[in-house]
Amino acid sequence: EVRLLESGGGLVQPGGSLRLSCAASGFTFSSYAMHWVRQAPGKGLEWVSGISASGGSTFYADSVTGRFTISRDNSKNTLYVQMNSLRAEDTAVYYCAKGGFPSEYFFDFWGQGILVTVSS
Amino acid sequence: DIQMTQSPSAVSASVGDRVTITCRATQGINKWLAWYQQKPGKAPKLLIYAASSLQTGVPSRFSGSGSGTDFTLTINSLQPEDFATYFCQQANSFPFTFGPGTKVDI
Repeated sequence: EVRLLESGGGLVQPGGSLRLSCAASGFTFSSYAMHWVRQAPGKGLEWVSGISASGGSTFYADSVTGRFTISRDNSKNTLYVQMNSLRAEDTAVYYCAKGGFPSEYFFDFWGQGILVTVSS
Repeated sequence: DIQMTQSPSAVSASVGDRVTITCRATQGINKWLAWYQQKPGKAPKLLIYAASSLQTGVPSRFSGSGSGTDFTLTINSLQPEDFATYFCQQANSFPFTFGPGTKVDI
């Protein structure tokens, strides 16, 4: 059974930093692209960032480019996102999602989500 | 960026009804479209990928069609567990974008 478990969320002040983790199990983690998708309270879904299976390629939404860094540790089956210079508009539930098939840009499994609140 | 629109934004339906949701992309995305279902407080769930392929474990009353810029999600014989919000998503090019969602309620 595929399981994705996010951690590391919480309350942070504007300008602060936070690192989210996503522990994966139930599949060969090192074979799949992974993504972060967020959802502001009461709003729709926004793709934030993606990383290739090897970690050699990373992709970002314009809204987070230069502030967020996605990474992965395939030896630990864990996905990360380092979030710096956080803004109020980054407040959202953050989901990690597994890349699917035939396109790794379909998200076939999602974690339960973790809330990040940026507020003073 | 490719923008995704959905219509309607909300639909009221009854158990047993057939519901159709439309998604439109601002440029052609071939068949690179997915549909997700989200219930309150839960993560989205993949229903349809590549415009018309049913994800494993998803009931056959869900179906998808379309190509290029216009796509449709159809739910035949709506069940109580289908009351949720549905999002489309283009997987053709970065940044991957979602539609605003369609809420299906009673």
